[in-house]
This record gives sequence, structure tokens and C-alpha cells, in this order.
Amino acid sequence: QSALTQPASVSGSPGQSITISCTGTSSDVGGYNYVSWYQQHPGKAPQLMIYDVSNRPSGVSNRFSGSKSGNTASLTISGLQAEDEADYYCSSYTSSGTRVFGGGTKLTVL
Amino acid sequence: QVQLQESGPGLAKPSETLSLTCAVSGASISSDNWWTWVRQPPGEGLEWIGEIFHGGSTNYNPSLKSRIRISLDRSKNQFSLNLSPVTAADTAIYYCAKVGVTGTSLDHWGQGTLVTVSS
Repeated sequence: QSALTQPASVSGSPGQSITISCTGTSSDVGGYNYVSWYQQHPGKAPQLMIYDVSNRPSGVSNRFSGSKSGNTASLTISGLQAEDEADYYCSSYTSSGTRVFGGGTKLTVL
Repeated sequence: QVQLQESGPGLAKPSETLSLTCAVSGASISSDNWWTWVRQPPGEGLEWIGEIFHGGSTNYNPSLKSRIRISLDRSKNQFSLNLSPVTAADTAIYYCAKVGVTGTSLDHWGQGTLVTVSS
């Protein structure tokens, strides 16, 4: 299975909004509303931020939102804060009954 | 709350078998959940390894399927990963995680354990 495609890096200034894309195929992202997003700070374990395309777990800021169109899912972070600087990974369930991650995106808050 | 803790050897030799264990607290591995292994080579991205259902069914990454086995130990409320034979390419931080109630995301993660494969 091939990894989902994410931009290697994105950046934004405090208070701005950024969007990270995650492109797959009709066998994963496009075929199911089962895309999730994870935040990973250096040296830490990943943390679930969005599940089922657009749902936030309890405790996750509403500045984080998710969407999907066709084979591409997106994570938007509004009102950027310094603490948002981290790596972000998307993931999807696949038609093979497996899971696949994206390559990861490094977010820099300028 | 749910907590997961990986344990393993830290260092493995090429061609040997790597065995890792994930101890679970705050939830029963015999309940209606999937339990997952994910790894991350140093400086690289996440790779899904595979997972096991509370009933014992498994799903594995096709690229690793011939070398891995995931199992449950209900008496100890833990699950395990065996990877054999290992090579230097298997050097990574290994995470265990719990699949959420919708079955579609990983909602609790262990802190990870670094495994280095070297002679």
C-alpha cells in the first residue's frame, strides 16, 4: 500500500490559518469517511486531533477542523499559535482492511 | 484513563526475532476494540504495522505480513508484536495504540520504545 501524499512543510504566522492536504485514492481517502489526523511534537507520541474526516475528540481545540473532497482530505488550523508547531500526519482506513499514513507535514509557526 | 506502555529489548541483532509487548491499563483488551502497532524510523514518518481484534483476528501491513505476528495475552491484559527476521531497516520507535470506538482512528498511544537493530 502506498503512503498518502502530504506536503513536506507548511508555515504560517501567529493568528493566521493554514491548511494541510492529504491525497490518496478511491481505495482509501476517497472511498471512506475514515480519515484521521495526528499531531506529533518532537520526542512525543502522536495525538489524535481529528477522526472520521471532521470530528474532534474531547479536549481538542475547535481551532482544528477537517474536511474532505474526493480523494483529498484537509486539516485546517485557524488562529495559529506557537504551540501548534509540530508534525502532522493523516491516516485512512483502506479497502484492504488496513490503515495507511501520510508522509507527514512539518508545521512551522513563524 | 486508558494507558499503554511498550516494553522491549532496545537492541536487536540482524536476523534475530524482535519481541515487543504493550501493557494496557484502564481498558480490557478482551473488550470490543482493535489494538495496533505503529513504527517510526528515526527522523521519518509513521508506518502502520498491524493490529489485532479482541477476538484474535488480525490485519497486517502487506509489506511486513510475512515477518510479523501480533498476539494477545488476556491474562496479563497486554498484546505483543513479533518481527522476524529483523534488519537495520527495522530500526525505529515502536508505538502501540488503541483503536477508537468507531474503529477508524487511534485514540490512545503508548510513549513508544526505540529499537535499534545492529550487530
